[in-house]
Amino acid sequence: AQSVTQPDIHITVSEGASLELRCNYSYGATPYLFWYVQSPGQGLQLLLKYFSGDTLVQGIKGFEAEFKRSQSSFNLRKPSVHWSDAAEYFCAVGARASNTGKLIFGQGTTLQVKP
Amino acid sequence: DAGITQSPRHKVTETGTPVTLRCHQTENHRYMYWYRQDPGHGLRLIHYSYGVKDTDKGEVSDGYSVSRSKTEDFLLTLESATSSQTSVYFCAISERQIDGYTFGSGTRLTVV
Repeated sequence: AQSVTQPDIHITVSEGASLELRCNYSYGATPYLFWYVQSPGQGLQLLLKYFSGDTLVQGIKGFEAEFKRSQSSFNLRKPSVHWSDAAEYFCAVGARASNTGKLIFGQGTTLQVKP
Repeated sequence: DAGITQSPRHKVTETGTPVTLRCHQTENHRYMYWYRQDPGHGLRLIHYSYGVKDTDKGEVSDGYSVSRSKTEDFLLTLESATSSQTSVYFCAISERQIDGYTFGSGTRLTVV
């Protein structure tokens, strides 16, 4: 069965510092991978996705993520964090062979940004 | 803005009463999903639909039922609400898996 682990429940970084949020998945083959962001009181917005090709994918708001097959990871990065990036971030995985389109989500990482 | 709306946005109900949450889309997407969000658990799939009248259970389906009689509407029913069903409920839509989901704004349900 698929699973997604986000090891860090809560991360605090200073504004302007770099950011890396970790995501590890368990799946027998290469899945589809996604990162979503949820601002307080809001729904979830797609940041970026990976399904094939270049393992470094660019997303919105200056985020990028790197797929590493050998480590079963899809970590999210940003070189310089802005105060508006404070939010909850979710990694999700989907099975390529699925005809249901279901995604499995991690527990989420809450990002706090210090001024 | 993304063509998906959830209603109501907030609801307080009493234990034992039936509750129906509605998800409406204008995108004509094939797939629709209901998730619940709870602290420490992320989002967990309750039920999903892969077409009109085609639905299936997710990982936390006990106590919930769904119906999809037309493409645009996906209803989630709590037959007899319990306090453990206090949560934020999100609906999501998708046409192709590689595109990911578009989420609604959520329904905050409190069962007292």
